Amino acid sequence: DAGVIQSPRHEVTEMGQEVTLRCKPISGHDYLFWYRQTMMRGLELLIYFNNNVPIDDSGMPEDRFSAKMPNASFSTLKIQPSEPRDSAVYFCASSHPGLAGPTDTQYFGPGTRLTVL
Amino acid sequence: GNSVTQMEGPVTLSEEAFLTINCTYTATGYPSLFWYVQYPGEGLQLLLKATKADDKGSNKGFEATYRKETTSFHLEKGSVQVSDSAVYFCALSIPYNNNDMRFGAGTRLTVKP
Repeated sequence: DAGVIQSPRHEVTEMGQEVTLRCKPISGHDYLFWYRQTMMRGLELLIYFNNNVPIDDSGMPEDRFSAKMPNASFSTLKIQPSEPRDSAVYFCASSHPGLAGPTDTQYFGPGTRLTVL
Repeated sequence: GNSVTQMEGPVTLSEEAFLTINCTYTATGYPSLFWYVQYPGEGLQLLLKATKADDKGSNKGFEATYRKETTSFHLEKGSVQVSDSAVYFCALSIPYNNNDMRFGAGTRLTVKP
């Protein structure tokens, strides 16, 4: 299996622009997670989906952030408008339930490094 | 609320030294505990896990024991290698409750030859 695929790997944009990050989970995994990693705040869970349905978006920082999962093999995280403080590495992860529940063994993608100027 | 506290880094060791990275947690309910590792330029990958008290997770020479009495899940390895240089994250989740997933701040380990 190719693992979790994220695109782009790097994104540089200017403040106010729309940014769309993409994720393809591992086939057969029914949970998908979006995380943000920064030096100041560490790794934060933004939102997660089960069977394409958003379950918990309490980590989404504000209305400028939105996430969708139109089908089992694709998800997007959109920031509109982007701000410099959104600069971070964004990870997508997928999993299927195990003994530790839905958040058992998550498989992370390589991340998208976003820089907002 | 649920949280994980792990020792601050960076940690620098010589090859073949003994490694301990401390991790303690606060949780309501019965958490599962994890150690993830992040190599430079990559996403996190699961290193080991434990789902109940007294369980020991192990992988690639690393071990951690779920200690409910001390709310700890310390990571240990008897003899580190240069290839173990990475950032290590302790994490917990509360399965089938709110599925809250919390990560520690991460500890950067550098192993020198």
